[in-house]
Amino acid sequence: GNSVTQMEGPVTLSEEAFLTINCTYTATGYPSLFWYVQYPGEGLQLLLKATKADDKGSNKGFEATYRKETTSFHLEKGSVQVSDSAVYFCAYPSSGTYKYIFGTGTRLKVLA
Amino acid sequence: GAGVSQSPRYKVAKRGQDVALRCDPISGHVSLFWYQQALGQGPEFLTYFQNEAQLDKSGLPSDRFFAERPEGSVSTLKIQRTQQEDSAVYLCASSPLTIHNEQFFGPGTRLTVL
Repeated sequence: GNSVTQMEGPVTLSEEAFLTINCTYTATGYPSLFWYVQYPGEGLQLLLKATKADDKGSNKGFEATYRKETTSFHLEKGSVQVSDSAVYFCAYPSSGTYKYIFGTGTRLKVLA
Repeated sequence: GAGVSQSPRYKVAKRGQDVALRCDPISGHVSLFWYQQALGQGPEFLTYFQNEAQLDKSGLPSDRFFAERPEGSVSTLKIQRTQQEDSAVYLCASSPLTIHNEQFFGPGTRLTVL
């Protein structure tokens, strides 16, 4: 079935550390892939996306590359900031439809 | 411009009460979605509207859940005879296209059933 597996959190890093949050998915075909971020008290915001294999999405210093061979879409940032503290969700639309399948989320805490 | 708004932001209900949660999507957005997010989990799809038509309600957990969007803009999610297991954050999202890509999410309504 359709599913998204994210690394469990919380992830605690010092400011300027390198971040990787793993995401793998099980899907039919090659759906668009998304990372959403949820800051405290706010709704989900699209962070970045990739619409086909080998695409790299990027935004605010975050990057993720669509790897169809490994069915992965890992999120990376070279130097995190305290303001990056949030919950990150990997997601894709099920079978090309509107039904987003979300991972369970990974909480990131960045310490000054 | 204004994003998706939801009200109330927080709702406490006694078990057995009915509740109504409101979503104001981005103006002109054709598609509207409701999700349920349990504590520590990702959002799970509840229902989908295209304009005023409810095209998919397969995610609604029971017949106590009902959603409407009568004029193709504002939507209401109603939960009758609330139970403790209904406690969650209810997220609304909208999208400008019928062929879906990015969904724009509201801040959610946190429902606590005592």
